[in-house]
Formats: sequence, structure tokens, C-alpha cells
Amino acid sequence: AQSVTQPDIHITVSEGASLELRCNYSYGATPYLFWYVQSPGQGLQLLLKYFSGDTLVQGIKGFEAEFKRSQSSFNLRKPSVHWSDAAEYFCAVAGRSDNDMRFGAGTRLTVKP
Amino acid sequence: EAQVTQNPRYLITVTGKKLTVTCSQNMNHEYMSWYRQDPGLGLRQIYYSMNVEVTDKGDVPEGYKVSRKEKRNFPLILESPSPNQTSLYFCASSSRQGAGGYTFGSGTRLTVV
Repeated sequence: AQSVTQPDIHITVSEGASLELRCNYSYGATPYLFWYVQSPGQGLQLLLKYFSGDTLVQGIKGFEAEFKRSQSSFNLRKPSVHWSDAAEYFCAVAGRSDNDMRFGAGTRLTVKP
Repeated sequence: EAQVTQNPRYLITVTGKKLTVTCSQNMNHEYMSWYRQDPGLGLRQIYYSMNVEVTDKGDVPEGYKVSRKEKRNFPLILESPSPNQTSLYFCASSSRQGAGGYTFGSGTRLTVV
């Protein structure tokens, strides 16, 4: 079965600084990969997804993620963080032959003024 | 507006008192799923449904029931709630086998005392 690891439980960055959130997955083939964001008291919102093709995918709110097959990674990046980006971020993986989407434990992002 | 609607948003109940959390989607999605979110554990799948009258267990199905009599509705039933089911619950739907990414409801915070 697939699994997802987000090594960082909590990250703090200064506003305007760059951001990279790490995600590693375990799956026998190329999965579908996702990043979601959860603001306090809210549900999860899809930031971006990877299915195939270009390994650098662009999402909403200025986020991007890069799929690296050799490292089984799908790290999320943003060149300049805004205070409104403070939230919890979840990486997820879904198999191509089933509907079993697995989530990482999440990374909480704090943005310092 | 395309959305997944869960009710109620907040619920406090006593041990053993049966309850139902409703979930409805207006996107004609085949796939629906229930997750629970607990600190440090991310989202864990409880049950999912690939279509009407087709449901299957996720990672943590014990103590829960679901039904899918209509495409749009996927209620979560706790026949005899216990305090370890205190959690934040999310319903989600998808148009294909996870490939479209899930649309999430706003969540139901359940407390069992």
C-alpha cells in the first residue's frame, strides 16, 4: 500500500522568504500526487496535483511542486511567502488503479512578520 | 456552487448515543470518502465508496458504518460512539479514481463525552 512521509512537523519562515516543504512517498508505480492546504477551522483545499508529464507543476497561490521519481519526492515550494500562507499543508498520494488516497501527517507553517 | 456539504459542523454527544453525520455533494461525483483527522496523524480514511451501493473499508473503519443509497449522499453512522472517536471528520468526493483530487467538506468536529 502507498504511504506518505512529511518529515517536518512544523516550519517557521519569515515573510518574504522562500519556502520548501518536503514530501516523500512510497508506491510501487507512479502515483497521483497532491498537495492540500488547510487554514485554521477550514477544510482542505487542493493546491496542485501531478498526474504525468512535466515534473514541475504549478498550483494556486503561487505554489509549485516538483516530482522527482529517483528520490520518491514531491516537494512543495514558494519563492516568497506571505503571512496569509500560514496554515497546515498535507501531501497526498493516490494509486492509479484504486481510490485509496493516503495523506501525510501534515506540516504546520508559521510565518513571522 | 460545486461543494461538499457536511452537517453538523460541531457535535457534542454522550458515549453510546447513536449519531449520523451527513454528507452531500452536488458535483455528480462517483467517489466519496470519509476521513478523520487527529493531531500528528494526518487524515486517515474510514470508509470510501466508488459508486452507489458500493462501499469499502479504509484504514480505520472500526466503530463506523456508511451507506450509499444515492449518488449524492454518503452519511457516516456511529452506532455506539466512544470517546476515542472524538475527532475532526471530513467528507470528500472525486470524479474519478482520486485523479481529479478530492473536494472536501468543511468538517465536523465531534466530541464524545
